[in-house]
Amino acid sequence: EAQVTQNPRYLITVTGKKLTVTCSQNMNHEYMSWYRQDPGLGLRQIYYSMNVEVTDKGDVPEGYKVSRKEKRNFPLILESPSPNQTSLYFCASSLWRNTEAFFGQGTRLTVV
Amino acid sequence: KNEVEQSPQNLTAQEGEFITINCSYSVGISALHWLQQHPGGGIVSLFMLSSGKKKHGRLIATINIQEKHSSLHITASHPRDSAVYICAVEGGGGSQGNLIFGKGTKLSVKP
Repeated sequence: EAQVTQNPRYLITVTGKKLTVTCSQNMNHEYMSWYRQDPGLGLRQIYYSMNVEVTDKGDVPEGYKVSRKEKRNFPLILESPSPNQTSLYFCASSLWRNTEAFFGQGTRLTVV
Repeated sequence: KNEVEQSPQNLTAQEGEFITINCSYSVGISALHWLQQHPGGGIVSLFMLSSGKKKHGRLIATINIQEKHSSLHITASHPRDSAVYICAVEGGGGSQGNLIFGKGTKLSVKP
């Protein structure tokens, strides 16, 4: 089954403790991206990647890192999480630009 | 000023009604996406448009590039259509791949 898989689905952590949210797709898609969703602000793009080893900043990249060492995986790294990074996070992939996007199930992160 | 504006923010309809959700944008785009977010939080892509019109079942999406406007129509609405509908634009030129989202339209269809 074609899908984008995020892990974990829920995470509560403490300020400053490094964490990684994994994202994997099985559709051989070139394009992958990360978003956060906050009440009143909607979805905002954090980072995106057009290909292996190619990443670019979205609208809200501060405090986040990503890597794209292989096509299927695009982890989101929070080196030193802060409470303002409490949010609902989505990973998505698509074959290329201007094609249908497939979303992961979401990761609800709480930083205390 | 938001680059992507949706209207209305909230919409309540009776089952069977024809529904229209609007999306206006102020930037140059290469594509526009309509997404559906279920009450449980999952997001599903409904349409990706760069011109004209697309239809899938009871859903129709149109885009007018000159007027920088898109509409999502739902015919014969049903309670299972209740969800948040989100418009997103994909930048043109060097910003392709960068998605900008509207804040969503919350639709509630009553039986």
